[in-house]
Amino acid sequence: GQSLEQPSEVTAVEGAIVQINCTYQTSGFYGLSWYQQHDGGAPTFLSYNALDGLEETGRFSSFLSRSDSYGYLLLQELQMKDSASYFCAVKGGSARQLTFGSGTQLTVLP
Amino acid sequence: IAGITQAPTSQILAAGRRMTLRCTQDMRHNAMYWYRQDLGLGLRLIHYSNTAGTTGKGEVPDGYSVSRANTDDFPLTLASAVPSQTSVYFCASSRDRGTEAFFGQGTRLTVV
Repeated sequence: GQSLEQPSEVTAVEGAIVQINCTYQTSGFYGLSWYQQHDGGAPTFLSYNALDGLEETGRFSSFLSRSDSYGYLLLQELQMKDSASYFCAVKGGSARQLTFGSGTQLTVLP
Repeated sequence: IAGITQAPTSQILAAGRRMTLRCTQDMRHNAMYWYRQDLGLGLRLIHYSNTAGTTGKGEVPDGYSVSRANTDDFPLTLASAVPSQTSVYFCASSRDRGTEAFFGQGTRLTVV
């Protein structure tokens, strides 16, 4: 099966940079995704890494190291609206389904 | 309809009753999923369908069933609800299995 670990909570101040780490175990790996979820809302897709390296999308970047079974989401120039839960999700296993981590609650302070 | 729609948005259900959560998408996505979200446990896959006419079991399938008669609809049925099925249920779809998933707004189900 698949399993993922990420920190449960992270706190940072507005304008700062924060990194949310994710380690995973899977029997077959196809990619690592990141999703954002605001309280009471639906998860929304942020990024996807299938190959090693950094993917940049505006203020958000995502990194993958397949040899270390590790990835991270980097949020720059933090804004109050970035306060949300962030989930990493691995595409893996024989069914190639998305398995989500338990989520990291990011709190951005003024 | 734009994107993926779930109904109802919330429901209080007596234990032992049968309930079907509805999910419809208009993006012509091949794959559809049902997740449940419980505090501290993230999103757990209940059932999935990679194409119309096929379904598969996820991480927590017991007590739930699904069908995929066509591309657009993917209903989730609780045959006899139990309190442990109290949760927020999200339906999602993606172009193909494991690619970027689009989520509905969720159904908050309380079984009493």
